[in-house]
Amino acid sequence: KAGVTQTPRYLIKTRGQQVTLSCSPISGHRSVSWYQQTPGQGLQFLFEYFSETQRNKGNFPGRFSGRQFSNSRSEMNVSTLELGDSALYLCASSRTGEYTGELFFGEGSRLTVL
Amino acid sequence: AQTVTQSQPEMSVQEAETVTLSCTYDTSESNYYLFWYKQPPSRQMILVIRQEAYKQQNATENRFSVNFQKAAKSFSLKISDSQLGDTAMYFCAFMGFSGSARQLTFGSGTQLTVLP
Repeated sequence: KAGVTQTPRYLIKTRGQQVTLSCSPISGHRSVSWYQQTPGQGLQFLFEYFSETQRNKGNFPGRFSGRQFSNSRSEMNVSTLELGDSALYLCASSRTGEYTGELFFGEGSRLTVL
Repeated sequence: AQTVTQSQPEMSVQEAETVTLSCTYDTSESNYYLFWYKQPPSRQMILVIRQEAYKQQNATENRFSVNFQKAAKSFSLKISDSQLGDTAMYFCAFMGFSGSARQLTFGSGTQLTVLP
């Protein structure tokens, strides 16, 4: 069974640009969450999608957005990039149905903003 | 809001020895999950062990066990017979059942190094 797949693994952007990251969850998982990991702030929750609907959102500015498609794949977008957006962005998926508490993580997308 | 505190940024242990990683948390919820996740240098976060707050019995997974003290809001991880492959960053995490359900709140992590 394939794990959570994130693309691209590495990318470099310049300030003011925008970026789109993709996440394919484990087959059968309908919930996808996104986390930002930085040395200074640690791991912070961005948002969570379930059946194409955003169920929960962290404390990030509106430049951070996401969506989920009918096949459960998810994308997150960051517009007007700032230097502080440099981070490892982690995607995690979980099973359908009732909340179980267990998330399965991808290897992440490493974004560098110059 | 929930907070999770890991007061040990770095720890080391000799191979085959036992090590305990500390974690404390703060919440007003009565029911929740607590987790220990491991992030090896390859970066993929892996679930090590999970504890449901309503269960008094401490969770155990092979060489990994927890000491869950609900009243003290303490959740430590014990690794027995440490192996070189246990070298990783370990994160303690909290997930509640209320409005923040399905959102993990992480501690700052403990970098564990197993020495040969």
